[in-house]
Amino acid sequence: EPEVTQTPSHQVTQMGQEVILRCVPISNHLYFYWYRQILGQKVEFLVSFYNNEISEKSEIFDDQFSVERPDGSNFTLKIRSTKLEDSAMYFCASRQGATYEQYFGPGTRLTVT
Amino acid sequence: AQSVTQLGSHVSVSEGALVLLRCNYSSSVPPYLFWYVQYPNQGLQLLLKYTSAATLVKGINDFEAEFKKSETSFHLTKPSAHMSDAAEYFCAVTPGGSGNTPLVFGKGTRLSVIA
Repeated sequence: EPEVTQTPSHQVTQMGQEVILRCVPISNHLYFYWYRQILGQKVEFLVSFYNNEISEKSEIFDDQFSVERPDGSNFTLKIRSTKLEDSAMYFCASRQGATYEQYFGPGTRLTVT
Repeated sequence: AQSVTQLGSHVSVSEGALVLLRCNYSSSVPPYLFWYVQYPNQGLQLLLKYTSAATLVKGINDFEAEFKKSETSFHLTKPSAHMSDAAEYFCAVTPGGSGNTPLVFGKGTRLSVIA
């Protein structure tokens, strides 16, 4: 069964460093999302992406964040200058155009020290 | 705007007992509703979905949920809990439509199953 994959599974970085989190959505899906989950808290929406542009973004998704679909398969989230409060699990999700359920990857745990 | 309230951050049941996890939603338009399960150190797995067809929805692992518009609820049930059901459960809502709107999640309910 097709699934969303994410790399790396765990990333440790120092405050102020740039990180890129990578996702490979399900191949025939058209809509892509990033969410994050701070330890012990609920899953929060960051950004949605369709047709090579951002559809919607939350107030969390400030100028330090960017997304890109550099080729036909990858979908990346970049954090330009990480802060301690960026430490969280980051989930990528995708969905087909015809239905509304989203399929999630296993997540990347980002630890900023 | 959509929102989800999950009553009870932690529910504990005995193995073989009924599981009931509560979810109430707020939506200005007919919603699409979902339950996701998160096992320790794993991602979110779709359990079941309500998309305006049948109000009683069956999902994986014998879970089901009933959409009650009058009560704005979408509670998750399972007749008989199994040890492997121990996990975090999240209710989520989206308005659907033509836009690329995100899921809005509840805070989650941790289910413990006691032998």
